[in-house]
Amino acid sequence: NAGVMQNPRHLVRRRGQEARLRCSPVKGHSHVYWYRQLPEEGLKFMVYLQKENIIDESGMPKERFSAEFPKEGPSILRIQQVVRGDSAAYFCASSRYDSGNTDTQYFGPGTRLTVL
Amino acid sequence: QKEVEQNSGPLSVPEGAIASLNCTYSDRGSQSFFWYRQYSGKSPELIMSIYSNGDKEDGRFTAQLNKASQYVSLLIRDSQPSDSATYLCAVNRGYGGATNKLIFGTGTLLAVQP
Repeated sequence: NAGVMQNPRHLVRRRGQEARLRCSPVKGHSHVYWYRQLPEEGLKFMVYLQKENIIDESGMPKERFSAEFPKEGPSILRIQQVVRGDSAAYFCASSRYDSGNTDTQYFGPGTRLTVL
Repeated sequence: QKEVEQNSGPLSVPEGAIASLNCTYSDRGSQSFFWYRQYSGKSPELIMSIYSNGDKEDGRFTAQLNKASQYVSLLIRDSQPSDSATYLCAVNRGYGGATNKLIFGTGTLLAVQP
């Protein structure tokens, strides 16, 4: 019974490179969320996606960041032209939202991005 | 005012004691409330969810919700050193609505002394 899977677990990039973070939700979950945790800070919501749709991207920086959740395959969080301030842990969560109280989000192990 | 507020701690309790963790939130429309535990360098792990006023018990954990006071708490009975972690309070403002995002507090660091 696999939980949320994220890869890579650790990613090192130089300033100006692109970072691609992948997330496979719990089997049967159709809702994916991305959160960022900066060093010594709390978890901050970035984006909420369903298959082929972005539902809420109110937490995404306006530039360089994008996310997708295609019909087939994992969700991708893409950061273009990374800067040192992007260094953080990026967590993906998934849920099996329906009309009941089943909006519980389960978190993956995270990708720790280091920008040199 | 932060949307979800927690005392950062550290909260130090002796082994076997009751640890009491508190959280307040600002949005009266919030519907779902969660406690996550996060060990250093690890991902958040769900401890409890609560949706209705009152208490909800699960093993050594009891979550308490008071919507009128906009207050959520987590009690850990018979605290163990393995409970030492950061406890995150999270509030879902989007239940049944257009979004489903969690708003997190900054967490309370719990240290259980053997």
